[in-house]
Amino acid sequence: TQLLEQSPQFLSIQEGENLTVYCNSSSVFSSLQWYRQEPGEGPVLLVTVVTGGEVKKLKRLTFQFGDARKDSSLHITAAQPGDTGLYLCAGVEDDKIIFGKGTRLHILP
Amino acid sequence: NAGVTQTPKFRVLKTGQSMTLLCAQDMNHEYMYWYRQDPGMGLRLIHYSVGEGTTAKGEVPDGYNVSRLKKQNFLLGLESAAPSQTSVYFCASSYLPGQGIWYEQYFGPGTRLTVT
Repeated sequence: TQLLEQSPQFLSIQEGENLTVYCNSSSVFSSLQWYRQEPGEGPVLLVTVVTGGEVKKLKRLTFQFGDARKDSSLHITAAQPGDTGLYLCAGVEDDKIIFGKGTRLHILP
Repeated sequence: NAGVTQTPKFRVLKTGQSMTLLCAQDMNHEYMYWYRQDPGMGLRLIHYSVGEGTTAKGEVPDGYNVSRLKKQNFLLGLESAAPSQTSVYFCASSYLPGQGIWYEQYFGPGTRLTVT
């Protein structure tokens, strides 16, 4: 069974700080997605990474796919209260998509 | 475009009652999915459909049935609700995977179901 481990589970930091959250697996994925979910809403896709070593930027968010396509990281620069939410990674292998349990991020003003 | 919509938003059932959750999408997506989300368990796939008239089991299918009679609709049924089915249910849809398309999922707002 493929598993995606996300760390940390919870993170609470002050506005303006930088942070990195991780998504790790022993399996190789053809692509990996990151979603953000706000309370009472469904997850919303942030980015898809496909190539090993790929780096994508979305304003203050930087996503990296590991060279071996088994892991990924999300780095947020100068976190803002609007970044608060549950961050989910999801790996795709063949026709299956596997979600991690998420990192719950809280940015304190 | 409304995207993915789910009805109802909230529901309380007594043990043994039945109900159907409706998911609709207006993006002409081929694939549709039903997930449940529980604290500490993440998103778990219940059933999915790769096209009109087809359905398949996901990770946690027991106690649920689904139907996809029309491409835009995906129904999730609970025949005899149990307290263990208390959860938040999300529907999602995606394009047929292909060149540059990697099963990116578009989620509905969720249905919060409580079974007493």
